[in-house]
Amino acid sequence: KAGVTQTPRYLIKTRGQQVTLSCSPISGHRSVSWYQQTPGQGLQFLFEYFSETQRNKGNFPGRFSGRQFSNSRSEMNVSTLELGDSALYLCASSLVPAGTENTGELFFGEGSRLTVL
Amino acid sequence: QQQVKQSPQSLIVQKGGISIINCAYENTAFDYFPWYQQFPGKGPALLIAIRPDVSEKKEGRFTISFNKSAKQFSLHIMDSQPGDSATYFCAASRHLSKTSYDKVIFGPGTSLSVIP
Repeated sequence: KAGVTQTPRYLIKTRGQQVTLSCSPISGHRSVSWYQQTPGQGLQFLFEYFSETQRNKGNFPGRFSGRQFSNSRSEMNVSTLELGDSALYLCASSLVPAGTENTGELFFGEGSRLTVL
Repeated sequence: QQQVKQSPQSLIVQKGGISIINCAYENTAFDYFPWYQQFPGKGPALLIAIRPDVSEKKEGRFTISFNKSAKQFSLHIMDSQPGDSATYFCAASRHLSKTSYDKVIFGPGTSLSVIP
């Protein structure tokens, strides 16, 4: 079974630009969460999507947005990039099947490492 | 209220020793406490998890101890091995329903180095 796939793995942008990151969850997983990982800050929750709806949102500015498609694939977008946006962006999917118990486990991709110059 | 505190920030342990990482939380609504392990260049992966109805859970060399009254939980790695060298994150969440959890809040992480 294929794991969570994130693209691109690495990218370099300059301040003011925008970036779109993509995440393909494990087949059958309907929930996708996004986290920002930086040294010293750990994993900061960005948002979670389930059935194309944003179900949860962290404390990030409106420059950070996301969406989920009908096939559960998700994208996140960061507009007007700032130097402080340099980080590893992690996507995680989880299984939320109808009628069965969710174990709560998150399955992470390897991340997209964004460098803003 | 949503924060999960974790210590130490980094830890160096001799091979065969015990590694101990401590976490604390404030939100009493949390009812699910997982630990994730992350190797360089990889995403975090679930290591072990506990719910507050038990005080301890053991899986192989890894044990979670949970103190509900103190709102603290810890990870013990027995007989630590160089292959255990990784970053460890404690986390907390809560059931919203049988099929869904609230967002998972992570601690800042502990970098563990096990030296031969």
